[in-house]
Amino acid sequence: EADIYQTPRYLVIGTGKKITLECSQTMGHDKMYWYQQDPGMELHLIHYSYGVNSTEKGDLSSESTVSRIRTEHFPLTLESARPSHTSQYLCASSSRDGTSPLHFGNGTRLTVT
Amino acid sequence: AQSVTQLDSQVPVFEEAPVELRCNYSSSVSVYLFWYVQYPNQGLQLLLKYLSGSTLVESINGFEAEFNKSQTSFHLRKPSVHISDTAEYFCAVIPVGATNKLIFGTGTLLAVQP
Repeated sequence: EADIYQTPRYLVIGTGKKITLECSQTMGHDKMYWYQQDPGMELHLIHYSYGVNSTEKGDLSSESTVSRIRTEHFPLTLESARPSHTSQYLCASSSRDGTSPLHFGNGTRLTVT
Repeated sequence: AQSVTQLDSQVPVFEEAPVELRCNYSSSVSVYLFWYVQYPNQGLQLLLKYLSGSTLVESINGFEAEFNKSQTSFHLRKPSVHISDTAEYFCAVIPVGATNKLIFGTGTLLAVQP
């Protein structure tokens, strides 16, 4: 049973549109992450947050932005979508302990035409 | 810096046969090691992890992995696979003491055939 929810599951949108990918978790986790996943490639961390009002960029440069106004909510926004943004976006959360596992949502598959 | 190598992008195997998915890592510091599984159209789920202690760790569904420090490996094995094991398997590491940045390999697709 999922405790971390991502919406929408699939999104097809035209170039230039603004989009927001939603991610919410009910576990009270302090840490949240956004990963980008492409076929045959490792998952790339694009954003992370250690708590409310804390956001950092990950290892992979991304034109997206994130916000963390509430503990349970970590949305990702693209101001102007481009075909190069086509990918699967995975949201995850974990507790403070560095050894605790990541809990992943089911992902949003974004296609920009 | 750390890196994870999964040399096999795809491993086809017949049902009830044994399987080994290979994972090697590179790190100048000690690491914790993880295997995650991703079933079709789903997110990743933790399969098993090595933090310390016994180098052989097991999951509830029959998978096991052995940490080999000298060979910097953490290969995943199962003695008899099922059709339902078909999924993408990701090896990952995080440096001991680090609080973020789990580093993933490129994944191995385990394709179990009847």
